[in-house]
Amino acid sequence: GEDVEQSLFLSVREGDSSVINCTYTDSSSTYLYWYKQEPGAGLQLLTYIFSNMDMKQDQRLTVLLNKKDKHLSLRIADTQTGDSAIYFCAEENNAGNMLTFGGGTRLMVKP
Amino acid sequence: DAGITQSPRHKVTETGTPVTLRCHQTENHRYMYWYRQDPGHGLRLIHYSYGVKDTDKGEVSDGYSVSRSKTEDFLLTLESATSSQTSVYFCAISETGTAIEQYFGPGTRLTVT
Repeated sequence: GEDVEQSLFLSVREGDSSVINCTYTDSSSTYLYWYKQEPGAGLQLLTYIFSNMDMKQDQRLTVLLNKKDKHLSLRIADTQTGDSAIYFCAEENNAGNMLTFGGGTRLMVKP
Repeated sequence: DAGITQSPRHKVTETGTPVTLRCHQTENHRYMYWYRQDPGHGLRLIHYSYGVKDTDKGEVSDGYSVSRSKTEDFLLTLESATSSQTSVYFCAISETGTAIEQYFGPGTRLTVT
Protein backbone atom coordinates (compact mmCIF):
# COMPACT_ATOMS: atom_id res chain seq x y z
CA GLY A 1 0.00 0.00 0.00
CA GLU A 2 0.91 3.65 -0.18
CA ASP A 3 2.65 5.32 2.75
CA VAL A 4 4.19 8.76 2.93
CA GLU A 5 6.43 9.72 5.84
CA GLN A 6 7.83 12.97 7.11
CA SER A 7 9.66 14.10 10.19
CA LEU A 8 7.39 15.87 12.66
CA PHE A 9 9.25 19.05 13.44
CA LEU A 10 11.90 21.43 12.12
CA SER A 11 13.19 24.60 13.72
CA VAL A 12 15.37 27.14 11.89
CA ARG A 13 16.51 30.71 12.35
CA GLU A 14 15.17 33.49 10.16
CA GLY A 15 17.34 33.88 7.07
CA ASP A 16 18.59 30.28 7.12
CA SER A 17 17.53 27.63 4.63
CA SER A 18 14.97 25.01 5.63
CA VAL A 19 14.93 21.50 4.21
CA ILE A 20 11.86 19.37 4.74
CA ASN A 21 12.15 15.71 3.78
CA CYS A 22 9.60 13.14 2.70
CA THR A 23 9.73 9.48 1.70
CA TYR A 24 7.04 7.76 -0.29
CA THR A 25 6.38 4.22 -1.43
CA ASP A 26 4.31 4.35 -4.62
CA SER A 27 6.83 4.30 -7.45
CA SER A 28 4.05 4.77 -10.01
CA SER A 29 3.11 8.23 -8.70
CA THR A 30 3.04 10.70 -11.56
CA TYR A 31 3.11 13.86 -9.50
CA LEU A 32 4.34 14.67 -6.02
CA TYR A 33 3.16 17.72 -4.14
CA TRP A 34 4.03 20.08 -1.34
CA TYR A 35 1.28 21.84 0.60
CA LYS A 36 1.43 24.50 3.29
CA GLN A 37 -1.08 24.76 6.12
CA GLU A 38 -1.18 27.86 8.29
CA PRO A 39 -2.95 27.76 11.67
CA GLY A 40 -6.72 27.46 11.35
CA ALA A 41 -6.62 27.29 7.56
CA GLY A 42 -6.96 24.69 4.86
CA LEU A 43 -4.11 23.36 2.77
CA GLN A 44 -2.57 25.53 0.11
CA LEU A 45 -0.70 23.96 -2.81
CA LEU A 46 2.85 25.32 -2.77
CA THR A 47 4.49 23.45 -5.60
CA TYR A 48 4.61 20.10 -7.32
CA ILE A 49 7.03 18.06 -9.38
CA PHE A 50 6.46 15.64 -12.21
CA SER A 51 8.00 12.24 -11.60
CA ASN A 52 10.35 12.42 -14.59
CA MET A 53 12.06 15.51 -13.16
CA ASP A 54 14.68 15.53 -10.45
CA MET A 55 14.55 19.19 -9.55
CA LYS A 56 12.17 22.11 -9.76
CA GLN A 57 12.84 25.64 -8.62
CA ASP A 58 10.18 28.25 -7.94
CA GLN A 59 11.48 31.48 -6.41
CA ARG A 60 12.60 30.58 -2.85
CA LEU A 61 11.40 26.99 -3.17
CA THR A 62 13.44 24.12 -4.55
CA VAL A 63 12.02 20.63 -4.85
CA LEU A 64 14.39 17.68 -5.22
CA LEU A 65 13.18 14.24 -6.24
CA ASN A 66 15.21 11.05 -5.95
CA LYS A 67 13.07 8.38 -7.58
CA LYS A 68 15.50 5.59 -6.88
CA ASP A 69 15.30 6.21 -3.13
CA LYS A 70 11.68 7.47 -3.27
CA HIS A 71 12.79 10.63 -1.49
CA LEU A 72 11.35 14.10 -1.94
CA SER A 73 12.58 17.29 -0.32
CA LEU A 74 11.49 20.90 -0.15
CA ARG A 75 14.12 23.56 0.40
CA ILE A 76 13.02 27.04 1.42
CA ALA A 77 15.76 29.63 0.96
CA ASP A 78 16.01 32.68 3.23
CA THR A 79 13.29 31.34 5.54
CA GLN A 80 11.02 34.02 7.00
CA THR A 81 8.77 34.01 10.06
CA GLY A 82 5.81 33.93 7.67
CA ASP A 83 7.00 30.52 6.50
CA SER A 84 6.11 29.05 9.91
CA ALA A 85 3.44 26.48 9.15
CA ILE A 86 2.88 22.76 8.69
CA TYR A 87 4.16 21.38 5.40
CA PHE A 88 2.69 18.26 3.86
CA CYS A 89 4.04 16.19 1.03
CA ALA A 90 1.60 14.12 -0.97
CA GLU A 91 1.74 11.57 -3.76
CA GLU A 92 -0.90 11.03 -6.38
CA ASN A 93 -2.18 7.56 -7.22
CA ASN A 94 -1.81 5.97 -10.63
CA ALA A 95 -5.31 6.97 -11.70
CA GLY A 96 -4.58 10.57 -10.76
CA ASN A 97 -7.68 10.92 -8.64
CA MET A 98 -6.46 10.37 -5.08
CA LEU A 99 -3.78 11.86 -2.91
CA THR A 100 -1.91 10.20 -0.05
CA PHE A 101 -0.51 12.69 2.41
CA GLY A 102 2.37 12.51 4.82
CA GLY A 103 1.77 13.37 8.45
CA GLY A 104 3.13 16.89 8.06
CA THR A 105 6.26 18.68 9.26
CA ARG A 106 5.80 21.64 11.56
CA LEU A 107 8.30 24.34 10.62
CA MET A 108 9.10 26.89 13.27
CA VAL A 109 11.11 29.94 12.26
CA LYS A 110 12.82 31.82 15.07
CA PRO A 111 13.62 35.51 14.66
CA ASP B 1 -10.36 29.66 -0.05
CA ALA B 2 -11.42 29.60 -3.72
CA GLY B 3 -15.16 30.01 -3.09
CA ILE B 4 -15.52 27.10 -0.66
CA THR B 5 -17.33 27.35 2.63
CA GLN B 6 -17.86 24.71 5.27
CA SER B 7 -20.50 24.68 7.94
CA PRO B 8 -20.43 24.48 10.82
CA ARG B 9 -16.83 25.51 11.47
CA HIS B 10 -16.87 23.99 14.94
CA LYS B 11 -19.15 21.40 16.48
CA VAL B 12 -19.25 19.43 19.70
CA THR B 13 -21.59 16.48 19.80
CA GLU B 14 -22.22 13.39 21.88
CA THR B 15 -21.44 9.81 20.98
CA GLY B 16 -24.29 8.17 19.11
CA THR B 17 -25.80 11.33 17.66
CA PRO B 18 -26.05 11.96 13.92
CA VAL B 19 -23.99 14.78 12.48
CA THR B 20 -24.04 16.37 9.03
CA LEU B 21 -21.30 18.63 7.73
CA ARG B 22 -21.86 20.78 4.69
CA CYS B 23 -19.48 21.89 1.99
CA HIS B 24 -20.67 24.61 -0.37
CA GLN B 25 -18.84 25.87 -3.44
CA THR B 26 -19.49 28.77 -5.78
CA GLU B 27 -16.98 27.66 -8.45
CA ASN B 28 -19.21 25.13 -10.23
CA HIS B 29 -16.41 22.55 -10.03
CA ARG B 30 -17.24 18.98 -10.90
CA TYR B 31 -15.27 17.14 -8.22
CA MET B 32 -15.71 17.50 -4.48
CA TYR B 33 -13.89 15.69 -1.68
CA TRP B 34 -14.11 15.12 2.04
CA TYR B 35 -10.93 14.52 4.03
CA ARG B 36 -10.22 14.13 7.70
CA GLN B 37 -7.04 15.38 9.33
CA ASP B 38 -5.64 13.78 12.46
CA PRO B 39 -2.30 14.45 14.14
CA GLY B 40 0.49 12.46 12.50
CA HIS B 41 -1.72 11.24 9.65
CA GLY B 42 -1.95 14.15 7.28
CA LEU B 43 -5.19 14.21 5.36
CA ARG B 44 -7.04 11.02 4.54
CA LEU B 45 -9.75 10.81 1.92
CA ILE B 46 -13.19 9.79 3.21
CA HIS B 47 -15.39 10.07 0.12
CA TYR B 48 -15.40 12.01 -3.09
CA SER B 49 -17.88 12.99 -5.76
CA TYR B 50 -17.34 13.24 -9.49
CA GLY B 51 -20.72 14.73 -10.29
CA VAL B 52 -24.24 15.17 -9.00
CA LYS B 53 -25.33 11.91 -7.38
CA ASP B 54 -21.99 10.29 -8.30
CA THR B 55 -19.87 9.43 -5.30
CA ASP B 56 -17.19 6.93 -4.37
CA LYS B 57 -15.37 5.76 -1.28
CA GLY B 58 -11.96 6.90 -0.20
CA GLU B 59 -9.41 5.43 2.14
CA VAL B 60 -11.36 5.83 5.42
CA SER B 61 -15.04 5.69 4.49
CA ASP B 62 -16.36 3.40 7.26
CA GLY B 63 -18.90 5.22 9.46
CA TYR B 64 -19.47 8.00 6.92
CA SER B 65 -21.95 8.60 4.13
CA VAL B 66 -22.17 11.41 1.61
CA SER B 67 -24.70 12.96 -0.69
CA ARG B 68 -24.53 15.37 -3.57
CA SER B 69 -27.92 16.44 -4.90
CA LYS B 70 -26.63 19.65 -6.48
CA THR B 71 -23.31 20.71 -7.95
CA GLU B 72 -22.60 23.23 -5.23
CA ASP B 73 -23.25 21.14 -2.11
CA PHE B 74 -21.54 18.03 -0.79
CA LEU B 75 -22.78 16.70 2.54
CA LEU B 76 -20.90 14.40 4.88
CA THR B 77 -23.00 12.48 7.42
CA LEU B 78 -21.91 10.58 10.48
CA GLU B 79 -24.95 8.40 11.17
CA SER B 80 -23.91 7.69 14.76
CA ALA B 81 -20.86 9.68 15.83
CA THR B 82 -18.07 7.96 17.74
CA SER B 83 -15.13 9.45 19.62
CA SER B 84 -12.77 8.11 16.94
CA GLN B 85 -14.44 10.52 14.52
CA THR B 86 -13.19 13.52 16.48
CA SER B 87 -11.11 15.26 13.84
CA VAL B 88 -10.80 18.24 11.57
CA TYR B 89 -12.72 17.74 8.36
CA PHE B 90 -11.71 19.43 5.13
CA CYS B 91 -13.67 19.75 1.95
CA ALA B 92 -11.90 20.23 -1.36
CA ILE B 93 -13.00 20.95 -4.91
CA SER B 94 -11.48 20.42 -8.32
CA GLU B 95 -12.72 21.03 -11.83
CA THR B 96 -10.44 18.47 -13.48
CA GLY B 97 -10.10 15.90 -10.70
CA THR B 98 -6.36 16.45 -10.52
CA ALA B 99 -4.51 17.40 -7.37
CA ILE B 100 -2.87 20.33 -9.11
CA GLU B 101 -6.23 22.01 -9.25
CA GLN B 102 -7.62 20.87 -5.93
CA TYR B 103 -8.59 23.69 -3.56
CA PHE B 104 -9.33 23.22 0.11
CA GLY B 105 -11.96 24.74 2.35
CA PRO B 106 -11.24 26.21 5.80
CA GLY B 107 -12.10 23.05 7.73
CA THR B 108 -14.63 21.96 10.38
CA ARG B 109 -13.42 20.94 13.80
CA LEU B 110 -15.67 18.17 15.16
CA THR B 111 -15.41 16.92 18.72
CA VAL B 112 -17.37 13.83 19.76
CA THR B 113 -17.62 13.47 23.53
